[in-house]
Amino acid sequence: AQSVTQPDIHITVSEGASLELRCNYSYGATPYLFWYVQSPGQGLQLLLKYFSGDTLVQGIKGFEAEFKRSQSSFNLRKPSVHWSDAAEYFCAVGVTKTSYDKVIFGPGTSLSVIP
Amino acid sequence: NAGVTQTPKFQVLKTGQSMTLQCAQDMNHNSMYWYRQDPGMGLRLIYYSASEGTTDKGEVPNGYNVSRLNKREFSLRLESAAPSQTSVYFCASSYLLYEQYFGPGTRLTVT
Repeated sequence: AQSVTQPDIHITVSEGASLELRCNYSYGATPYLFWYVQSPGQGLQLLLKYFSGDTLVQGIKGFEAEFKRSQSSFNLRKPSVHWSDAAEYFCAVGVTKTSYDKVIFGPGTSLSVIP
Repeated sequence: NAGVTQTPKFQVLKTGQSMTLQCAQDMNHNSMYWYRQDPGMGLRLIYYSASEGTTDKGEVPNGYNVSRLNKREFSLRLESAAPSQTSVYFCASSYLLYEQYFGPGTRLTVT
């Protein structure tokens, strides 16, 4: 069955430090992969997506993610974290069903940023 | 361009009461979705509508019904609320493959 795991429930980093959030997926075919961010009290916003091509994808707010097929991973990175990046981050995989395009979300990683 | 809007933002119900959550999008998207978000479980799909006039069950449809009123609007109804339905509910819409746009959510408490 398709699934998405995010091994880190909560991460704390200092402002200005680098960040890597881990994501692993289970899906038999070529995956469509996403990272979403949810600020407190808000809905989810798409940060970036991978459909095909270059395995390093750039997103909004200075985030990037790298698709590694051999490791079934799609880790999110940012070189220098800002206090405003404190939020919940969700990795997701898109799978094709017979009648609709389904997105399976991971459980999320909560990011705290220390000033 | 408001994107995806949801009403109400907050709601408290007693067990057995009914209510309808409203969702509307102004992006001319064909597909719309209802999710619930519970701590540590990510988002789980309740119902979806691939196009106007069609609806289908997602992962956790029990206790819910939906109506795709037109291309813009997709409502979620709880006929007899239960404490297990305490959650945050998100509506989303999409046009491009898988790329979903989310509303701000409705926080529902059932006592």
